[in-house]
Amino acid sequence: DAGVTQSPTHLIKTRGQHVTLRCSPISGHKSVSWYQQVLGQGPQFIFQYYEKEERGRGNFPDRFSARQFPNYSSELNVNALLLGDSALYLCASSSSGYEQYFGPGTRLTVT
Amino acid sequence: AQRVTQPEKLLSVFKGAPVELKCNYSYSGSPELFWYVQYSRQRLQLLLRHISRESIKGFTADLNKGETSFHLKKPFAQEEDSAMYYCALSAGFGNEKLTFGTGTRLTIIP
Repeated sequence: DAGVTQSPTHLIKTRGQHVTLRCSPISGHKSVSWYQQVLGQGPQFIFQYYEKEERGRGNFPDRFSARQFPNYSSELNVNALLLGDSALYLCASSSSGYEQYFGPGTRLTVT
Repeated sequence: AQRVTQPEKLLSVFKGAPVELKCNYSYSGSPELFWYVQYSRQRLQLLLRHISRESIKGFTADLNKGETSFHLKKPFAQEEDSAMYYCALSAGFGNEKLTFGTGTRLTIIP
C-alpha cells in the first residue's frame, strides 16, 4: 500500500478561482480528515468525513467544502480563492478513532 | 476551546545530550495527547500518543494534568532525531479532530 495519496502535488491558482484537491485513503480506512498548514504554523483542522458523512468541521468559511465518495476517497473544494488560502493541504485517513496517517500534501499557491 | 502551545520554535542539542521538547495544552475535558514528527522530505507521522504509554525511538512523554503539559523527552539525542516535532490534542479517544501546536524544529549537533 502506497499510503495516503493526494493529487495534485502542487498547483497555482489566481484569486477568485476555484480549486479541487483529491485524497485517496489507505485501503480499508473509512475516515478522511483535511488540514490546512500555513507556512510556519501547525496543521489546522478543516473537515472530517466518515462513511460519506461529515463528522466534524473546523473554523473555516463556507467557501471550503468537501465530500467523500463510496470508495472513501475524498475531495476538498475551495471557492473564490483568496491569497490567504495559499498553504499546504494535508489529508489524513484512519480506521475510525485510531492513528491518523497523513498524505504528502498538496501545495496551493494563490496569486 | 482547545489550544496547544509549543514555546520553542527552534531547539539545538548536542548528540548524546538529553532532549526535552515542551508542550502545554488548554482543554476543559479529558484530552488525548499526541506527538507527531516530520523528518526531512517525509510526511507527517505519529511518534507517540499518551494512552499507549509506549517509548518510540527512545522518546517518552508523560501527561501532566496538573500542569497541563505533555513534554517529549529522550535521554540521549541521536543525529537521526533532527526533525520537526508537533504536539497535538484531540477531545478524547475516537475524536479525530486534532489541534496542533506550531511545532519545534529540533537540530542535533554532531
